[in-house]
Amino acid sequence: AQKVTQAQTEISVVEKEDVTLDCVYETRDTTYYLFWYKQPPSGELVFLIRRNSFDEQNEISGRYSWNFQKSTSSFNFTITASQVVDSAVYFCALSRGNAGNMLTFGGGTRLMVKP
Amino acid sequence: GAGVSQTPSNKVTEKGKYVELRCDPISGHTALYWYRQSLGQGPEFLIYFQGTGAADDSGLPNDRFFAVRPEGSVSTLKIQRTERGDSAVYLCASSLTSFDEQFFGPGTRLTVL
Repeated sequence: AQKVTQAQTEISVVEKEDVTLDCVYETRDTTYYLFWYKQPPSGELVFLIRRNSFDEQNEISGRYSWNFQKSTSSFNFTITASQVVDSAVYFCALSRGNAGNMLTFGGGTRLMVKP
Repeated sequence: GAGVSQTPSNKVTEKGKYVELRCDPISGHTALYWYRQSLGQGPEFLIYFQGTGAADDSGLPNDRFFAVRPEGSVSTLKIQRTERGDSAVYLCASSLTSFDEQFFGPGTRLTVL
């Protein structure tokens, strides 16, 4: 069985602070994918990133960066110099390596960025 | 291009009634997924279509739930004899192929009174 745990249910920061959202996963598969999605107040899930289990390179996209560590089964997400528009619920998700496999989501972390 | 669309955006019904929720995937996407999101939780998988066929329906909670995708594009999620516990946001997602990342629609908020 697959499981994703986001231990931080809610984080509050002041604008321009850096913030890291934690994600720990469990799977018995050797091939799998990890994802992050953003859900702003409007409700629509926005795809941010997908990584496969064989690629442990960290990735940076603008103010966003992701740290994938297989040894600790973690896929953490850092926002640098946070902005009010970053306020949303962020979900980490896991899928098996096979085609068409459903996403298993964590419970989400609500990020509030205050001006 | 247009994203995934879902109609209606909100649906209020009474316990015991039948409802249909519609999903229009991104044009050309062959894979389509339904998820359900209860308040304060992450989405939970319901069913996955590859083309017209349901390739995995292991997430459907019981036989009151059924989904179709007759022409391999639009999908309809059908719920019979609705119960108050069915109240949630129903999300649809599509992907270009079953190996690609999923893009989500805005959801249908179902409220069963």
